Amino acid sequence: DVKVTQSSRYLVKRTGEKVFLECVQDMDHENMFWYRQDPGLGLRLIYFSYDVKMKEKGDIPEGYSVSREKKERFSLILESASTNQTSMYLCASRVVMGVNTEAFFGQGTRLTVV
Amino acid sequence: DQQVKQNSPSLSVQEGRISILNCDYTNSMFDYFLWYKKYPAEGPTFLISISSIKDKNEDGRFTVFLNKSAKHLSLHIVPSQPGDSAVYFCAASAHRDDKIIFGKGTRLHILP
Repeated sequence: DVKVTQSSRYLVKRTGEKVFLECVQDMDHENMFWYRQDPGLGLRLIYFSYDVKMKEKGDIPEGYSVSREKKERFSLILESASTNQTSMYLCASRVVMGVNTEAFFGQGTRLTVV
Repeated sequence: DQQVKQNSPSLSVQEGRISILNCDYTNSMFDYFLWYKKYPAEGPTFLISISSIKDKNEDGRFTVFLNKSAKHLSLHIVPSQPGDSAVYFCAASAHRDDKIIFGKGTRLHILP
């Protein structure tokens, strides 16, 4: 089974802090994604990584950056956390080759910025 | 501008009946479509997908229909069961190596 692991289930940070959300996948998938889920807004794409050291902005990249130095790890960085970044953050990975190209999700990180 | 639209925020269906969830898209470059199910405080789980070369795909109780000319797809669940109560997300991708865009979701309630 594919396993996508997010480092924390729940996180509370202060306004202005630099926050790192870590995601690790164990299936050698090329693509990795970061989304946030907010009530009434669905899943919105923050950043997408095609492969190691390759990234593309999603629909809402402002206030975020990402790092993918190794294939299995995709980090989301909140440069200076703000209260409007309180949300559920979801990481996903996907293999490019093969019959099925669905993305597999981690369990999510509920981030609260106070 | 929303590229993937789920216009019904919620839907209630009697247990044992058919649940039909709808999704519309605007980007004609999309060629791969997915449905996910999500419970509270968990990550979404993949249900079923369809590529643009097909108009129907079936997996057990779940069937997805694609109407390319109308840019519309639907997920049918037959028969509906209590464990199907969840939020369902429609998603689309332009090709297998591209970003996946999600809709806002539809909350399905299965009534006893």
